[in-house]
Amino acid sequence: QKEVEQNSGPLSVPEGAIASLNCTYSDRVSQSFFWYRQYSGKSPELIMSIYSNGDKEDGRFTAQLNKASQYVSLLIRDSQPSDSATYLCAVSLRSNDYKLSFGAGTTVTVRA
Amino acid sequence: GAGVSQTPSNKVTEKGKYVELRCDPISGHTALYWYRQSLGQGPEFLIYFQGTGAADDSGLPNDRFFAVRPEGSVSTLKIQRTERGDSAVYLCASSPGTRGEQYFGPGTRLTVT
Repeated sequence: QKEVEQNSGPLSVPEGAIASLNCTYSDRVSQSFFWYRQYSGKSPELIMSIYSNGDKEDGRFTAQLNKASQYVSLLIRDSQPSDSATYLCAVSLRSNDYKLSFGAGTTVTVRA
Repeated sequence: GAGVSQTPSNKVTEKGKYVELRCDPISGHTALYWYRQSLGQGPEFLIYFQGTGAADDSGLPNDRFFAVRPEGSVSTLKIQRTERGDSAVYLCASSPGTRGEQYFGPGTRLTVT
């Protein structure tokens, strides 16, 4: 079983819709959770971090964490063509070593 | 402010050669990480520095890979006797050391022919 798994996509949504991205992780002691956006040919860009159960909102992005279910998600509201990218879920498995384990990413395409 | 910088941006080398990849982290960031990313995959952890010392090198695939950070700032990833399977984008990230938020540089695309 992979440490971090994401729905493989690709995910195509119309402009203005909500894009929903899912991620599960295998290690129950995971402490920190991140979403990165990666445009084609570019490096990952941090867009959200979440550390405790519940929702965290930042602009059009909402991250949701459920540690009991070992599940973290990202919602992108009012999707724009500029949101078209690969979204990477990353998990830090230990509290004293922040190395990240990444999922393979979900590619999102926003149709104008 | 300036982000993480990496040089070179691209490196083409022949199988068996030695290469060095450089990372200059965000000023003041104490933690530095190296990852590599193959096409269609997420980044894969290689090594983590806290200050000058390698706190975790469990991701280095074999003893051909080595990294240093002698003064606690710039880091160099060194690969000996390169193999075609080493071809990937090598990413460096730095973190202020709190909460683990990591900021990536633009990467070095290594191609071994």
